[in-house]
Amino acid sequence: RKEVEQDPGPFNVPEGATVAFNCTYSNSASQSFFWYRQDCRKEPKLLMSVYSSGNEDGRFTAQLNRASQYISLLIRDSKLSDSATYLCVVNSNSGGYQKVTFGTGTKLQVIP
Amino acid sequence: DVKVTQSSRYLVKRTGEKVFLECVQDMDHENMFWYRQDPGLGLRLIYFSYDVKMKEKGDIPEGYSVSREKKERFSLILESASTNQTSMYLCASSLTRTGLEQYFGPGTRLTVT
Repeated sequence: RKEVEQDPGPFNVPEGATVAFNCTYSNSASQSFFWYRQDCRKEPKLLMSVYSSGNEDGRFTAQLNRASQYISLLIRDSKLSDSATYLCVVNSNSGGYQKVTFGTGTKLQVIP
Repeated sequence: DVKVTQSSRYLVKRTGEKVFLECVQDMDHENMFWYRQDPGLGLRLIYFSYDVKMKEKGDIPEGYSVSREKKERFSLILESASTNQTSMYLCASSLTRTGLEQYFGPGTRLTVT
């Protein structure tokens, strides 16, 4: 089983729609979680951290479910500019270092 | 703003050549990382460094080595390039050893023929 798994998509949604992605992780001792965004032919950039109580940043909501070992990202009122690949990132402690594991990403295409 | 730069955006090399990929960050970050990104496989960690002259193997170090002589600079070396090392190479840095947010360079697309 992969350490971090995501549905690769693509998710094709119309402008204004709400879309949600999930990401599952296998290490129950994982400590922190993030969503990164990667535009086509660009580098990944941090979108938001994921906190235990859930957190929101404008149209974006991230949630963590430790019992079921998944995190989610909800995007409301999708914009064309939201089209990108969304990478789930999980940090765990490994020998005194933070081991960072990236998912393979979920591709979102917002259609006019 | 943190800036991470990589020496080349595109590089074409022949099988067996020695290849140097350079990465420089300007924010005095402790940690630096080298990844490769391939379709369907995502980002895979090759090596990382948490201090000058220190290095640690990541998940796929075979065929690569690294050098960190100065804090701001982290080099990835392919001793003898092979076609299966054709990939996008991404450098990243983070502030501390536990450093959670990673800042990425623009990437180098390496083609080995």
